[in-house]
Amino acid sequence: EAGVAQSPRYKIIEKRQSVAFWCNPISGHATLYWYQQILGQGPKLLIQFQNNGVVDDSQLPKDRFSAERLKGVDSTLKIQPAKLEDSAVYLCASSLSPSVNGELFFGEGSRLTVL
Amino acid sequence: AQKITQTQPGMFVQEKEAVTLDCTYDTSDPSYGLFWYKQPSSGEMIFLIYQGSYDQQNATEGRYSLNFQKARKSANLVISASQLGDSAMYFCAMRESNTNAGKSTFGDGTTLTVKP
Repeated sequence: EAGVAQSPRYKIIEKRQSVAFWCNPISGHATLYWYQQILGQGPKLLIQFQNNGVVDDSQLPKDRFSAERLKGVDSTLKIQPAKLEDSAVYLCASSLSPSVNGELFFGEGSRLTVL
Repeated sequence: AQKITQTQPGMFVQEKEAVTLDCTYDTSDPSYGLFWYKQPSSGEMIFLIYQGSYDQQNATEGRYSLNFQKARKSANLVISASQLGDSAMYFCAMRESNTNAGKSTFGDGTTLTVKP
């Protein structure tokens, strides 16, 4: 079974530029999460999708971050314009359902450096 | 309020000894799941063990066990017979019930170093 795919693995941009990250979850997984992990900290939830609907985006900085999951499969997270404090690893995770007993499966992450 | 608290930023353990990593949580949901994940320096997040809020017995998975004390809202991870490969960051996470749509919250992690 293929895992969660993310790209790009690494991205370096100047502040005020834009960047997009892509995630393809495990086939059949209805729930998809985007997390931001700053070095030395735990993952912080940015947005959660259930199929193609947004369940929780309360911590997404909506003035600069956007995310979509149009067909309920893969997802894109965009940052525009980027700030220095956006330097982090962006983790995509998926699970079969929102059930409390289902673990999350993570991609390898996309490491963003904003200069 | 912090939903998941891990009070040990770093821990050291001698190889072959046991170590306990602390985790306390906060929720008003009667149904929730508690998870531990391992993140080696390579960055991938690896699921270790799960405990459901209604489970009567503590979860075990090989060398990993979860010391679940519901009244104290704690879910400590115990690693027995530590190995050098256990050196990594460990995260406690909570997944709340379907009324919260399976939202998953993570603590800030504990860095475990296993000494030879």
